[in-house]
Amino acid sequence: KAGVTQTPRYLIKTRGQQVTLSCSPISGHRSVSWYQQTPGQGLQFLFEYFSETQRNKGNFPGRFSGRQFSNSRSEMNVSTLELGDSALYLCASSATQGNTEAFFGQGTRLTVV
Amino acid sequence: AQSVTQPDIHITVSEGASLELRCNYSYGATPYLFWYVQSPGQGLQLLLKYFSGDTLVQGIKGFEAEFKRSQSSFNLRKPSVHWSDAAEYFCAVGPFTGNQFYFGTGTSLTVIP
Repeated sequence: KAGVTQTPRYLIKTRGQQVTLSCSPISGHRSVSWYQQTPGQGLQFLFEYFSETQRNKGNFPGRFSGRQFSNSRSEMNVSTLELGDSALYLCASSATQGNTEAFFGQGTRLTVV
Repeated sequence: AQSVTQPDIHITVSEGASLELRCNYSYGATPYLFWYVQSPGQGLQLLLKYFSGDTLVQGIKGFEAEFKRSQSSFNLRKPSVHWSDAAEYFCAVGPFTGNQFYFGTGTSLTVIP
C-alpha cells in the first residue's frame, strides 16, 4: 500500500509569489491534514479536509488555503509569499475521525527568497 | 486547552546505553498519545501509540512507552540505543476536531559511538 505522497519535495519561490503544494493520501483515507514545521514554532496545524470539506483550521492568515478533491487528494496554496513562510510543509492522512493515527508524507521544503 | 511538553530539547547518549525521552500532556480526559520520529529532511514516522488498556505499549524499532495518568506523562524508552536512532522525536496528543493533533516541540537525539 503506497504511503502519503507529497509533491514537489523542494521549492524555491520569491517573496510575493504564490505556491501550490500537493498531497495524495493513503488509498482509502478520506482525511487530509496539513502542518507547517519550522525550527522556531515546531509543528503547527494548518487545516484539515474530510470528504472535500474543511473541518478545522489553525491560526494562520487567509493567505494559506487548501482544498480537497473527490479522490481525496489535497492541495494547499500560499499566496503573497513572505520570508517567514519558509518551512517544511507536512501532509498527513487518516482513515476517519476517531481513535486513529495520522500517517505523514515526507513533506515539501519551501524556501522563500 | 490541549498541549504537549517535551522538556528536553536535546539529548546525547552513547550507543548501547538506555534512553528515556520525556513527554507531558495537558488534557482533561484520557488522551490518545503518540510518539513519532523524524529523520533529517523527512516526514514523521509513527513509533507507537496509546489509546487505552495496558499502559505500557510496545512500538517499532525496539521502543516502548509508558502512560502514567497520575503524572500526565507518556515517556518513551529504549533499553539499548543504536546509532541509527539519532533523529528528532515528537510526542503528540489527538486527534481532536478535524483530526488535529498537538505536538511537542521535539527532542533531538544524538548518539555517540
